[in-house]
Amino acid sequence: SYELTQPLSVSVAMGQTARITCGGNNIGSKNVHWYQQRPGQAPVLVIYRDTSRPSGIPERFSGSNSGNTATLTIYRAQAGDEADYYCQVWDSSTPWVFGGGTKLTVL
Amino acid sequence: EVQLLESGGGLIQSGGSLRLSCAASGFAFNRNAMSWVRQAPGKGLEWVSGLNYNGDTTYYADSVKGRFIVSRDNSKDTVSLRMNSLRVEDTAVYYCARVSGVAGGSYAVFDYWGQGTLVAVSS
Repeated sequence: SYELTQPLSVSVAMGQTARITCGGNNIGSKNVHWYQQRPGQAPVLVIYRDTSRPSGIPERFSGSNSGNTATLTIYRAQAGDEADYYCQVWDSSTPWVFGGGTKLTVL
Repeated sequence: EVQLLESGGGLIQSGGSLRLSCAASGFAFNRNAMSWVRQAPGKGLEWVSGLNYNGDTTYYADSVKGRFIVSRDNSKDTVSLRMNSLRVEDTAVYYCARVSGVAGGSYAVFDYWGQGTLVAVSS
């Protein structure tokens, strides 16, 4: 089965840039999607197909994907960005696969 | 406005059965695949099951294959998850999620989520 690896936690100073990685074997050949989950809430899609943002998601959220690593970048981090972030791909062996999640702390 | 409302969660003993339902509104239900995703207390998201727009293709995680059955009723805009032989490790919040497309695939994302229903399995 396909596995996605994320760091358990990432910290960023308010106003700075946060980068959350998602590792997988040749993940650059897949479409990667990202979800934000604030405490006590349901997940929300923030990036789909590597780089696209759903309507209503700020331009501060950006995605990239190449080689064995996909990255969610959050520019000018705000207190409201504190959340758990999950990457997700489709794999023929496991259909939908999630990464383990990364807790983002904004200092 | 897209809305997904889960129901049917509760406390159940190990080995028991439970049926979750998800009532959808605000979109053409028969044009989207649907899925269930769960989250154990303090843990990450785990995809559980899904089915295509008309229900004739279903998908299951290995952890639930043979125990859970997903179905949908397009006349009632509902999707259900029948959970049999429940185990303590099935304890989780179960989310219903809309898939952006008629079936699974690399473009298929979970674009809308319900608020979840808690299933607690006791030993």
